Amino acid sequence: GAGVSQTPSNKVTEKGKYVELRCDPISGHTALYWYRQSLGQGPEFLIYFQGTGAADDSGLPNDRFFAVRPEGSVSTLKIQRTERGDSAVYLCASSFGGAVNTGELFFGEGSRLTVL
Amino acid sequence: KQEVTQIPAALSVPEGENLVLNCSFTDSAIYNLQWFRQDPGKGLTSLLLIQSSQREQTSGRLNASLDKSSGRSTLYIAASQPGDSATYLCAATGFQKLVFGTGTRLLVSP
Repeated sequence: GAGVSQTPSNKVTEKGKYVELRCDPISGHTALYWYRQSLGQGPEFLIYFQGTGAADDSGLPNDRFFAVRPEGSVSTLKIQRTERGDSAVYLCASSFGGAVNTGELFFGEGSRLTVL
Repeated sequence: KQEVTQIPAALSVPEGENLVLNCSFTDSAIYNLQWFRQDPGKGLTSLLLIQSSQREQTSGRLNASLDKSSGRSTLYIAASQPGDSATYLCAATGFQKLVFGTGTRLLVSP
């Protein structure tokens, strides 16, 4: 596609449920990032993929959060046993090239997660 | 650990004014610095990227400067318009990831 696509755009779930958020990056972009943005804050880094592997997952807040990118394109962020504090906008970005320091990041519109 | 701060947090100006948004970062070992625009309920749109070896970048009415030694970047918007109203975020690029500031909310009144 022309840009980074994220689905769903909105997700409302109940505390304790499992959630999956999907990101389809720009074609040909090898690097993919997940960020989380709370209201009134800047985006916070969660995880970075280079191809199929997670090159840096230091931003994942705990073991309830997990992300995969099995074929080096689409990525899924998975959240188990959701908590109200997980409510935020989850942003995905991709870039061309081997590392973020070489290229511009392009962001999707985000997935707004609300945990009741 | 890199920390990025943006001042002011909010800014309200009448149409036509020139304005400056400030961004500071604590670790000068950055690869580049990016400025983004975010409209309410939307994702981020990249405005300008300044490589660490550069001093400034220009796009239309926007000009961004970078001073690595002092840990500062500024975004200059000339002849502001109501359509410029949005949140502006700067992000410093270290190894493998961007670190964002909390943004400046800009309102340009007609």
